[in-house]
Amino acid sequence: QKEVEQDPGPLSVPEGAIVSLNCTYSNSAFQYFMWYRQYSRKGPELLMYTYSSGNKEDGRFTAQVDKSSKYISLFIRDSQPSDSATYLCAMSGGPGDSNYQLIWGAGTKLIIKP
Amino acid sequence: DVKVTQSSRYLVKRTGEKVFLECVQDMDHENMFWYRQDPGLGLRLIYFSYDVKMKEKGDIPEGYSVSREKKERFSLILESASTNQTSMYLCASGIPTGRLTTEAFFGQGTRLTVV
Repeated sequence: QKEVEQDPGPLSVPEGAIVSLNCTYSNSAFQYFMWYRQYSRKGPELLMYTYSSGNKEDGRFTAQVDKSSKYISLFIRDSQPSDSATYLCAMSGGPGDSNYQLIWGAGTKLIIKP
Repeated sequence: DVKVTQSSRYLVKRTGEKVFLECVQDMDHENMFWYRQDPGLGLRLIYFSYDVKMKEKGDIPEGYSVSREKKERFSLILESASTNQTSMYLCASGIPTGRLTTEAFFGQGTRLTVV
C-alpha cells in the first residue's frame, strides 16, 4: 500500500461546478499538507499549504485536512477551463521526523469543460 | 519571486552518453531535489541534498549521480544514458523547517529523450 493514495482520474466537470479533489494517507505523523497544480509540460506549482488540521481558503480554493480520517481535500469553486491541470498532493512529517522528503500522491487529472 | 531554473527544456541524447542536467535556485534554500516524472508513476525522487557537498539517495538513484558544489546549484548526472531514462526531470528546492522540507518550488522541467 502506498503512503499517499490519489485517484488519477481524469475527473471531468462542467465549467462553474464545484470540484473536490482528495488524498488519503497512512502515516499519522504527517503534519504538513500541500497541493500543487501542474499544467501540461510544466513543473508543479504550489497552490495551498496547510499545517496540521483545519481549513485554509485562498480565493476559489479551499484546502481541508481531516487528520482523524487521514484524508485531505482541495475544493475549487466556480471552476474555470484554466483550472484544467493535474493536481498533486504532498505531505511531510512533524517535529522529531528526520525525513527531508515530501511524500507525493500520483496526481489527479482535472478537465473543466466549457 | 521564487525562481528555480533548469538549464534545458528539451534534450535529446544518444545511448551511452554522459548527460548533465543543471539546476539553479535563487532562494537560498538548503534543500534541493531531483525527481523524474513518468505517466502513471507520478513523481519519483532520485536524489536530494540538504547542504553543500551533501547528498542522499532517493527512491530510484540507480544510473544517476549528483553534485552540489555551491548552495544554489544542484546537478544531476546520467553516467551512461539509457533509453529507460527517457523522462521528464524536475528539480526542486525546499523550505526546511528544522530537518523537514515543508514546501518545494519546482523548475520548469527538462524533457530528456534518449535515443
